[in-house]
Amino acid sequence: SYELTQPPSVSVSPGQTARITCSGDALPKQYAFWYQQKPGQAPVVVIYKDSERPSGIPERFSGSSSGTTVTLTISGVQAEDEADYYCQSTDSIGTYVFGAGTKVTVL
Amino acid sequence: QVTLKESGPALVKPTQTLTLTCTFSGFSLSTSGMRVSWIRQPPGKALEWLARIDWDDDKFYNTSLKTRLTISKDTSKNQVVLTMTNVDPVDTATYFCAREYDSSGNLFDFWGQGTLVTVSS
Repeated sequence: SYELTQPPSVSVSPGQTARITCSGDALPKQYAFWYQQKPGQAPVVVIYKDSERPSGIPERFSGSSSGTTVTLTISGVQAEDEADYYCQSTDSIGTYVFGAGTKVTVL
Repeated sequence: QVTLKESGPALVKPTQTLTLTCTFSGFSLSTSGMRVSWIRQPPGKALEWLARIDWDDDKFYNTSLKTRLTISKDTSKNQVVLTMTNVDPVDTATYFCAREYDSSGNLFDFWGQGTLVTVSS
């Protein structure tokens, strides 16, 4: 079955830049979406269609794509950005898949 | 205002069938481009997409769970129902429903609060 691969964890100091990668064979052909999830809450989308930012999401969140890897970048990390981040995309038969998630820790 | 809310049993015995209902408001699942998915999350683990139903009644399933899942909609009641047969303790999870709309960028833009289902004898 199709998989999206993310690093389990990323640690970053306040004000620094966090980069979270997500790799998958179908990513050159399918959009990626990034969701932020804080404990006890439903996920919230922070980036859609690889690099689009929904209204209300801070500008420090950005997304990019290169080949089979997409990247979520959080510039000027703040304490409130500590959360789990999941990439999500579509496989070749149109079904959805989530990555295993990356825990972002703000030191 | 778009809202979704999941409902169903909090406790199910192994081998039983689980039925979950997503009741929504603020949109119609008969609108072209509208979709509702079910997603689950075992305690302390990752999100797992389960199934999706579209405005035109197209249905898509997680290939690993396809034989156990059925998704359906009742447009008049604004509900989407997911049934999962032959449940096992590994199916213990919080189950979410989420909306997706073509005109909004095909993201899961609205989620329910989730409902915790425990599978145990």
